Amino acid sequence: KQEVTQIPAALSVPEGENLVLNCSFTDSAIYNLQWFRQDPGKGLTSLLLIQSSQREQTSGRLNASLDKSSGRSTLYIAASQPGDSATYLCAVGGSNYKLTFGKGTLLTVNP
Amino acid sequence: NAGVMQNPRHLVRRRGQEARLRCSPMKGHSHVYWYRQLPEEGLKFMVYLQKENIIDESGMPKERFSAEFPKEGPSILRIQQVVRGDSAAYFCASCNAGATGELFFGEGSRLTVL
Repeated sequence: KQEVTQIPAALSVPEGENLVLNCSFTDSAIYNLQWFRQDPGKGLTSLLLIQSSQREQTSGRLNASLDKSSGRSTLYIAASQPGDSATYLCAVGGSNYKLTFGKGTLLTVNP
Repeated sequence: NAGVMQNPRHLVRRRGQEARLRCSPMKGHSHVYWYRQLPEEGLKFMVYLQKENIIDESGMPKERFSAEFPKEGPSILRIQQVVRGDSAAYFCASCNAGATGELFFGEGSRLTVL
């Protein structure tokens, strides 16, 4: 059974700082890995999708890496802004594209 | 191209009533997934459906919960005889399988049981 762990559970940083969010998973037989953002009371916004054959994906100030053999992914956010404050969710895709989620990292970027 | 549409966004029910949550997948998507997010918990998989077929219901509670995705119309998640513990956000996602396998999520339906 796939288990996904996200560390830290919460993170508070000053504006402008670069930061890294961590995700680990127990079963390396994955199809893909997605990072999402969730604002309070809202739905999930897909940030980055990494296929199992890929090592990283980039979108703007975001970069996600995947090390399938060690069961790890990181989400790097450059030059953080107060608008980046949200919960970031890591989800691992398995058979039938079914996602297993971590509990998320609550990020607060202080002006 | 509209995203995944869920309704109602908010639903209030008294214990013992029925709740019906609807999900229209993105255009061209034939795979639908339902997830539940309990307060202070992560999202948990409930069920995966294709048109007229339940493919994986390993996350569905054994009683009171059912799901369908008919040939025409939205997918429906039905909860009978709701209890307070059913209060949660229910998210639907759709996927165009065979491409990237990327799931796209709706805004969710927030059920409150009084």
